[in-house]
Amino acid sequence: AQSVSQHNHHVILSEAASLELGCNYSYGGTVNLFWYVQYPGQHLQLLLKYFSGDPLVKGIKGFEAEFIKSKFSFNLRKPSVQWSDTAEYFCAVNGVMGRRALTFGSGTRLQVQP
Amino acid sequence: KAGVTQTPRYLIKTRGQQVTLSCSPISGHRSVSWYQQTPGQGLQFLFEYFSETQRNKGNFPGRFSGRQFSNSRSEMNVSTLELGDSALYLCASSLVSSAGGNNEQFFGPGTRLTVL
Repeated sequence: AQSVSQHNHHVILSEAASLELGCNYSYGGTVNLFWYVQYPGQHLQLLLKYFSGDPLVKGIKGFEAEFIKSKFSFNLRKPSVQWSDTAEYFCAVNGVMGRRALTFGSGTRLQVQP
Repeated sequence: KAGVTQTPRYLIKTRGQQVTLSCSPISGHRSVSWYQQTPGQGLQFLFEYFSETQRNKGNFPGRFSGRQFSNSRSEMNVSTLELGDSALYLCASSLVSSAGGNNEQFFGPGTRLTVL
């Protein structure tokens, strides 16, 4: 069965610090990869996605992620975080060819201190 | 363009009752998926509909069911509610042109169900 692991459950950073959130997946086949963010009191929003092509993908708000197929990883990065990045971040995977059900990681709570 | 809308936003029920939640996808989106979010289990896939047909089903008991209408609106029903069904139920829609297509999913605000 497919699974997604997010190793950091709670991360606390100061503003302007760099961010890297880990995500590893287990899936028997070609995958699509996503990072979603859930700001306090708001619904899940898509940060970025990888379907194919350049393994380094850029998303909204200065976030980027790199797909490393050999490591089954899709880590999220941001060079300089802001207080407004405080949120919960979810990595998710689904299969190609119509297997659209998303498998989510357990989430990482990011707290950015001013 | 309006986002995914879900009604009601909050619901309180007692054990043994049944509940129906509604989801209106983004205009033009024909795929609708449902997820359950709880502190203990996280986000778990319930089922997905495309063109009024259930395409995928997650590992939930038969008390959880759903349907999709010709206008792509979807409902999910939970019968014989249990305390453990208390959760945030999220609906997501996706712009796919065929049953075999794939694209990102856009989530609604969810319905918070509390079972007493």
